[in-house]
Amino acid sequence: DAGVIQSPRHEVTEMGQEVTLRCKPISGHDYLFWYRQTMMRGLELLIYFNNNVPIDDSGMPEDRFSAKMPNASFSTLKIQPSEPRDSAVYFCASSFSGAQHFGDGTRLSIL
Amino acid sequence: GIQVEQSPPDLILQEGANSTLRCNFSDSVNNLQWFHQNPWGQLINLFYIPSGTKQNGRLSATTVATERYSLLYISSSQTTDSGVYFCAVERVDNNDMRFGAGTRLTVKP
Repeated sequence: DAGVIQSPRHEVTEMGQEVTLRCKPISGHDYLFWYRQTMMRGLELLIYFNNNVPIDDSGMPEDRFSAKMPNASFSTLKIQPSEPRDSAVYFCASSFSGAQHFGDGTRLSIL
Repeated sequence: GIQVEQSPPDLILQEGANSTLRCNFSDSVNNLQWFHQNPWGQLINLFYIPSGTKQNGRLSATTVATERYSLLYISSSQTTDSGVYFCAVERVDNNDMRFGAGTRLTVKP
């Protein structure tokens, strides 16, 4: 079975550019989570969806960050405009009844 | 928010040794999970264990929810067990998953 699929795996871009991260959850999972991992702050939950509806976005750091889930098989996390401090590994995870399964992450570098 | 403390922060073992990793949390939870982040950065779910004991091969975990801690046991460690082990908890009244800072395990051949 396919796991959570994230794209791109790596992204390097200049500050001020728009960045779009993509996630395909495991089929049948009803929760989707976006996390960010940095050395300084560890793993942080940014936002999560239940049945495609955003439930809690209190972890989204600023208005520059937005996330959507237009259907059960796709979600995006956008940063516009990007800043160097947004550099991190961004993970998407999905779950059904508890156990979360993570994608391989997107390593984002903002120059 | 809920506090999650993991100990020890670092652990170095010789291959074949056993170890116990601990996770303490500050509030009632309805969800506790253990993850392994391998040297390539992948996060693997080891256990979903809000209470009780589970075993999977050389790994087992116990959560005592009333005393707000969980333990992860690794027996007969192998070099492939190296990486960072995270405990993550979800408070009873919301789905906000909080991760501990992790235990970095190094298993030497």
